[in-house]
Amino acid sequence: DAGVTQSPTHLIKTRGQQVTLRCSPKSGHDTVSWYQQALGQGPQFIFQYYEEEERQRGNFPDRFSGHQFPNYSSELNVNALLLGDSALYLCASSLFAGGAGTEAFFGQGTRLTVV
Amino acid sequence: GQQVMQIPQYQHVQEGEDFTTYCNSSTTLSNIQWYKQRPGGHPVFLIQLVKSGEVKKQKRLTFQFGEAKKNSSLHITATQTTDVGTYFCAGPMNYGGATNKLIFGTGTLLAVQP
Repeated sequence: DAGVTQSPTHLIKTRGQQVTLRCSPKSGHDTVSWYQQALGQGPQFIFQYYEEEERQRGNFPDRFSGHQFPNYSSELNVNALLLGDSALYLCASSLFAGGAGTEAFFGQGTRLTVV
Repeated sequence: GQQVMQIPQYQHVQEGEDFTTYCNSSTTLSNIQWYKQRPGGHPVFLIQLVKSGEVKKQKRLTFQFGEAKKNSSLHITATQTTDVGTYFCAGPMNYGGATNKLIFGTGTLLAVQP
């Protein structure tokens, strides 16, 4: 039973470029949430996808966008990269039906460095 | 907005000593979850507490949810080097809502000296 998989594991981009990160949720899960974790801080919620729609969004600019596919996998896109976007991007999968009490399973993350 | 704070930010202990981290939310939570993140790793779910005053144990780890459901604690008895990492508490953003948008605490980094 595969857990949550993310790709790539590491990425270096230049300011102003665009990046796409990918996530495959744990088998049986239908909800994908994305988090940004800066060094030494806790994960910050970016947005959540369920039934191919963005359901919740955190305090992130429109440069951050996403998509969920029919197979529940998801992409996170960041446009016009800034140095401050350098962080570990985590994908978490869960079951939407579980509601507020659902455990989140995290992928290993994508380490994005913007230079 | 809703905030979740943890203290201390950092704790250095000798192996065998006890360790406690405290979590406080600005709002009432429907449940509290605890995660452990090893250095260079990703958060791994430890446990979820739902009921007011609930206490759960996992071997040397004891988790408690406050009566008002706004605070929680994690206590580790007789720490081992394998306990090293950052411990995060996290609560759902919308109390009672059908969402698991998690607000993470600031985390406590535990260092254990052999």
